[in-house]
Amino acid sequence: DAGVIQSPRHEVTEMGQEVTLRCKPISGHNSLFWYRQTMMRGLELLIYFNNNVPIDDSGMPEDRFSAKMPNASFSTLKIQPSEPRDSAVYFCASGQGYSYEQYFGPGTRLTVT
Amino acid sequence: AQSVTQLDSHVSVSEGTPVLLRCNYSSSYSPSLFWYVQHPNKGLQLLLKYTSAATLVKGINGFEAEFKKSETSFHLTKPSAHMSDAAEYFCVVTLPGTYKYIFGTGTRLKVLA
Repeated sequence: DAGVIQSPRHEVTEMGQEVTLRCKPISGHNSLFWYRQTMMRGLELLIYFNNNVPIDDSGMPEDRFSAKMPNASFSTLKIQPSEPRDSAVYFCASGQGYSYEQYFGPGTRLTVT
Repeated sequence: AQSVTQLDSHVSVSEGTPVLLRCNYSSSYSPSLFWYVQHPNKGLQLLLKYTSAATLVKGINGFEAEFKKSETSFHLTKPSAHMSDAAEYFCVVTLPGTYKYIFGTGTRLKVLA
């Protein structure tokens, strides 16, 4: 089992550029979560997908953020345009339905200069 | 409303001595509880989970936690600390049937040689 796979692991970009983060969940899992971790705010849920459908995007900071899940094995989180305050570690996690444990990927460390 | 409080932001122990990381929760219903560990620059790894079965839960790497409803606690313990246990530990609460994790603020464990 390869676990949750995220790419890239590190991303450095300039303010105003588009950033795309990628996630491959564990095979057979039907729930997918995107989180953001910062020192100031800890771990924040950005968006939750169930069976490839976005269920709750109330944590998405603003319209600059968008997420898609075109199929059960792939999801993207896009930031356009990026800003320095978006600098954080972004985690993808997957699980099997409600209230089951979530399995986290290694994260993408995003730095926006 | 659910909430979780990790009572210590930092804990230091000597190698070979017991570890106690404290977590209290608040929930109107029977919660599911989890402990995760995050090593530096890594994702969150599930240590153990409580989902209304046995109150004493054994996890990976020698960790265990006891669910005490009367005290609303779910403290994490390990009989003998190892250097590799140095990391940040998160207590998480969620309601069965919901997907939202409520994270504690984390406890950073330092293991002294």
